[in-house]
Amino acid sequence: NAGVTQTPKFRILKIGQSMTLQCTQDMNHNYMYWYRQDPGMGLKLIYYSVGAGITDKGEVPNGYNVSRSTTEDFPLRLELAAPSQTSVYFCASSYSSQGATEAFFGQGTRLTVV
Amino acid sequence: SQKIEQNSEALNIQEGKTATLTCNYTNYSPAYLQWYRQDPGRGPVFLLLIRENEKEKRKERLKVTFDTTLKQSLFHITASQPADSATYLCALSGYGNKLVFGAGTILRVKS
Repeated sequence: NAGVTQTPKFRILKIGQSMTLQCTQDMNHNYMYWYRQDPGMGLKLIYYSVGAGITDKGEVPNGYNVSRSTTEDFPLRLELAAPSQTSVYFCASSYSSQGATEAFFGQGTRLTVV
Repeated sequence: SQKIEQNSEALNIQEGKTATLTCNYTNYSPAYLQWYRQDPGRGPVFLLLIRENEKEKRKERLKVTFDTTLKQSLFHITASQPADSATYLCALSGYGNKLVFGAGTILRVKS
């Protein structure tokens, strides 16, 4: 059972570079989410999607973009990397709206912007 | 603004004892409260969910209480083992809303 798969696991970016964090799930979940986790802080929601073609902003969306062309995939795009985006990024999915059901998380992507 | 507070200091206990972790919240009326476990370098893993109309939920050695008057949840691990050592995250949501996470509490169980 693959669950939620994120790639890459680690990445170092230079300021101003762009990259896409990949996320795919094989559980046929409609709901998908991107979080970032900074040391000593709770997970902060960046973007979420309630189904293919539908995305919406979370608590900290600035500097990021997402798309949801299929049920399985939910990539996160960083256009102009900044040191403030150094963090660990987690993708998650759930069967229905968050809160009412458990969320399944990927292993995370550790991103450093220098 | 909404605030979720978990013990910022690590909880150190002896193997076999009961670990009790606290989650307090303010400016929030959650419909659901969840607990997750997170190991170093890994993503959170779901443990338990409790609804606002439930006072207590159990699963094997785990027990969660939810007091909407005190705005507090307690998470208990009975007969704790070194393998229970991890960070435990509390998360809240309203109906149909997104989960809001606390910063987590580190639990260390010593043999």
